[in-house]
Amino acid sequence: EPEVTQTPSHQVTQMGQEVILRCVPISNHLYFYWYRQILGQKVEFLVSFYNNEISEKSEIFDDQFSVERPDGSNFTLKIRSTKLEDSAMYFCASRAGVENSPLHFGNGTRLTVT
Amino acid sequence: AQSVTQPDIHITVSEGASLELRCNYSYGATPYLFWYVQSPGQGLQLLLKYFSGDTLVQGIKGFEAEFKRSQSSFNLRKPSVHWSDAAEYFCAVGHRAAGNKLTFGGGTRVLVKP
Repeated sequence: EPEVTQTPSHQVTQMGQEVILRCVPISNHLYFYWYRQILGQKVEFLVSFYNNEISEKSEIFDDQFSVERPDGSNFTLKIRSTKLEDSAMYFCASRAGVENSPLHFGNGTRLTVT
Repeated sequence: AQSVTQPDIHITVSEGASLELRCNYSYGATPYLFWYVQSPGQGLQLLLKYFSGDTLVQGIKGFEAEFKRSQSSFNLRKPSVHWSDAAEYFCAVGHRAAGNKLTFGGGTRVLVKP
């Protein structure tokens, strides 16, 4: 069964550094999402992406964050200057173009900012 | 704004016993409803979903859930748990009007005693 893949599984970075989290969505999916889960807290929506542009973003997704689909397969989340509070598990998800298709999640990237 | 409440943070159940996880939501219309499971170190796996129609839905791994509009609930059940069911379970709601993005509950961690 096709799946969403995320790399790396764990990323450690120093405060102020830029990080790029990578995702390969399921190949025929059209909608892409990033969520994050701070340890012990809820899974929170960050951003949705469709037709090569952001369709919605949350308050968390400020100017430090950006997303990109640089080619036909990858979907990346960039944090320009990481802060300690960015430490979390980041999940990528994708879904097909059918209206009620469910989100399929990757295994996540655990980001640790020191 | 939509919200999801999972009243039980932790549940401990004996292997072979039945399991019920509660989920209540607040939404202006009937949302799409989902249950996801997260095993340690893993991503979010879809257990089942409800969009419309029969209010009792069957999912993978022997799970089922029942949508009760009058109670704004979507409780997850399994008649007989297995040790491998130990995980964290998340209820989530979404809607076409919200771009199908999901709002998650806080999760319920299930521990299975031998």
